[in-house]
Amino acid sequence: AQSVTQLDSHVSVSEGTPVLLRCNYSSSYSPSLFWYVQHPNKGLQLLLKYTSAATLVKGINGFEAEFKKSETSFHLTKPSAHMSDAAEYFCVVSDWEYGNKLVFGAGTILRVKS
Amino acid sequence: DVKVTQSSRYLVKRTGEKVFLECVQDMDHENMFWYRQDPGLGLRLIYFSYDVKMKEKGDIPEGYSVSREKKERFSLILESASTNQTSMYLCASSFNWDLYGYTFGSGTRLTVV
Repeated sequence: AQSVTQLDSHVSVSEGTPVLLRCNYSSSYSPSLFWYVQHPNKGLQLLLKYTSAATLVKGINGFEAEFKKSETSFHLTKPSAHMSDAAEYFCVVSDWEYGNKLVFGAGTILRVKS
Repeated sequence: DVKVTQSSRYLVKRTGEKVFLECVQDMDHENMFWYRQDPGLGLRLIYFSYDVKMKEKGDIPEGYSVSREKKERFSLILESASTNQTSMYLCASSFNWDLYGYTFGSGTRLTVV
C-alpha cells in the first residue's frame, strides 16, 4: 500500500493567490511528516516538519501545514504565491512501519503564473 | 548548518566506464543515502548506510555499489555505466531522520552516452 500520496501531480496558481498542495499518508502509529521543496536542477530543501508537537506547523518562506490525524492528511498551504515558489514539492513520511528511512511522495510541481 | 557536498554537478561518461559519485557531509552524521531521481518516477533509494563500512540495499541497487570507508564520505559506484543510468543522483545524510529529516546535497546530473 502507498504510504504517502500526493493528490496532484501539477498545480497551477496565479501570483498572489493561495497555494494548496495536498498530501495523505497511511500509518498505523504517529508518524513524522515533512515537506521538501526542489527548485530546478537543485537538491531538496526542508520546508517544514511535524514531529508530534503542534499540529499546525510553520515553515520557511511563508509555508505552513496542518497535521490532521482523523483525515490522515498533511496539506501544505501558503496564503499568497510568489513567482519564486515555482518548484517541485515532496511530502515525506517517517514511520517505523516503513523501516529506518524516509518515504517520499511522488511530488507535486507548482507553477506560478504572473 | 549541515552541509552535504556532491563533488560534481554535471558529469558525462561513456557506456561501460566505471563511474564514482562522491558525497561528503560535515556534521558527523551516521546515516547516509543515495537516491536517483527521474521524471515521473520520483526519488528512488539505491543504497544507504548507517555506519562506516556498513551498507544496505535500497529499492533499486542493481548496477550500483557503494563504499563508506570514512564516516563523512559515501561513494556511489556505477561498475559499468549504461545509458539507462542517466539520471539525477542525490546524496543525503541524517542524524535522526524521525526528528530532523534528511539534508540533501545539490545533486549530480549524470549523462551516460
